[in-house]
Amino acid sequence: DAKTTQPPSMDCAEGRAANLPCNHSTISGNEYVYWYRQIHSQGPQYIIHGLKNNETNEMASLIITEDRKSSTLILPHATLRDTAVYYCIVRVSGGGSNYKLTFGKGTLLTVNP
Amino acid sequence: GAVVSQHPSRVICKSGTSVKIECRSLDFQATTMFWYRQFPKQSLMLMATSNEGSKATYEQGVEKDKFLINHASLTLSTLTVTSAHPEDSSFYICSARDGSPRLSGAVGYGYTFGSGTRLTVV
Repeated sequence: DAKTTQPPSMDCAEGRAANLPCNHSTISGNEYVYWYRQIHSQGPQYIIHGLKNNETNEMASLIITEDRKSSTLILPHATLRDTAVYYCIVRVSGGGSNYKLTFGKGTLLTVNP
Repeated sequence: GAVVSQHPSRVICKSGTSVKIECRSLDFQATTMFWYRQFPKQSLMLMATSNEGSKATYEQGVEKDKFLINHASLTLSTLTVTSAHPEDSSFYICSARDGSPRLSGAVGYGYTFGSGTRLTVV
């Protein structure tokens, strides 16, 4: 799987949009970009994923650059409960039932009141 | 959506004893489950992959005789930490991959995580 690079930490004001960047310059054509987050002392939670088109769901939006070498996760109106470590992961879709998710260090997003 | 239940959430054991952690998929059949370990302020590290009815595949550096994994049914995988030592104290998290066709169109939903088990060995 392609390696990802994320800033170690970011701050955001409550109610404002949080934009979390991720670089994945070695991504392959069949690799998806996944975002998970982990709130302190809990298991990771799925947020969103995409291949090349921008995606939006009830939690967030995912913007993938045209060359697919980077992406941005957008939380449109951050709340205090969004404080968590956010992980950007790239991996192939499917690939057999044994395919695993490998976590990097992620970005600690702190939402401030 | 898919739910994974992990039990216990916290356990304290004495050094030298064994501890079993259970991971259950509640509303789907999990053909594959993954076990992670997470030390304070570090990321999740994959320990092993277990498939129902077959032996687990361990990541490099993980002692298979110390961390016993059993995946005897499509809804239950267990991790047993044998002869626990203080350095085994960690946060253990399981993840299940849903093999159900209903989720095939949204691959990201195919990985659901448990809430984790905080193991403290004293």
